[in-house]
Amino acid sequence: GQQVMQIPQYQHVQEGEDFTTYCNSSTTLSNIQWYKQRPGGHPVFLIQLVKSGEVKKQKRLTFQFGEAKKNSSLHITATQTTDVGTYFCAGSRVDSNYQLIWGAGTKLIIKP
Amino acid sequence: NAGVTQTPKFQVLKTGQSMTLQCAQDMNHNSMYWYRQDPGMGLRLIYYSASEGTTDKGEVPNGYNVSRLNKREFSLRLESAAPSQTSVYFCASSEGTSGLEQFFGPGTRLTVL
Repeated sequence: GQQVMQIPQYQHVQEGEDFTTYCNSSTTLSNIQWYKQRPGGHPVFLIQLVKSGEVKKQKRLTFQFGEAKKNSSLHITATQTTDVGTYFCAGSRVDSNYQLIWGAGTKLIIKP
Repeated sequence: NAGVTQTPKFQVLKTGQSMTLQCAQDMNHNSMYWYRQDPGMGLRLIYYSASEGTTDKGEVPNGYNVSRLNKREFSLRLESAAPSQTSVYFCASSEGTSGLEQFFGPGTRLTVL
């Protein structure tokens, strides 16, 4: 079936270091969304990317959508303790925009 | 606005018991979704309702039923709970389909013994 693979599963960083998570889809996506889930919380929407090669920034967060619309990345510069949580990508299928296909998430753990 | 609300927050069931998880949204959204979240597996879609009056199966519908009671409310029913249904259940809503932003409720943590 169609999948979105997300790596790494966990990443430990020192506060102030950078963090990156990657998503790869087996099929072309119509768009990709990124969500953040704090420990014990629920997923909260961060951003949506639609265009091939699109790059968007939100302060220290940079989101990219690949040229083939099959991969995406989230990069956080100079992590802070408030960045702790699990980051999920979710792709919308080309043939059906009803369903989001979710990556398994990358848990960001910050060492003080 | 409360956004998306879910009840109950926690529930413990014995195998074979039934229960209904309730979800309501006050954002006048057309589409609503039920997901389950298990460790290391992200979110998996159980059922969704693209609009009032319609429901469709997602990735993992077996053992569940849903009802779109009206535009605001979307319930999930477990007729005969099994330990494999131990999970965190999230309800979400969006303005429409077509890959729009989804708003999530706080979740229901369900344990089936």
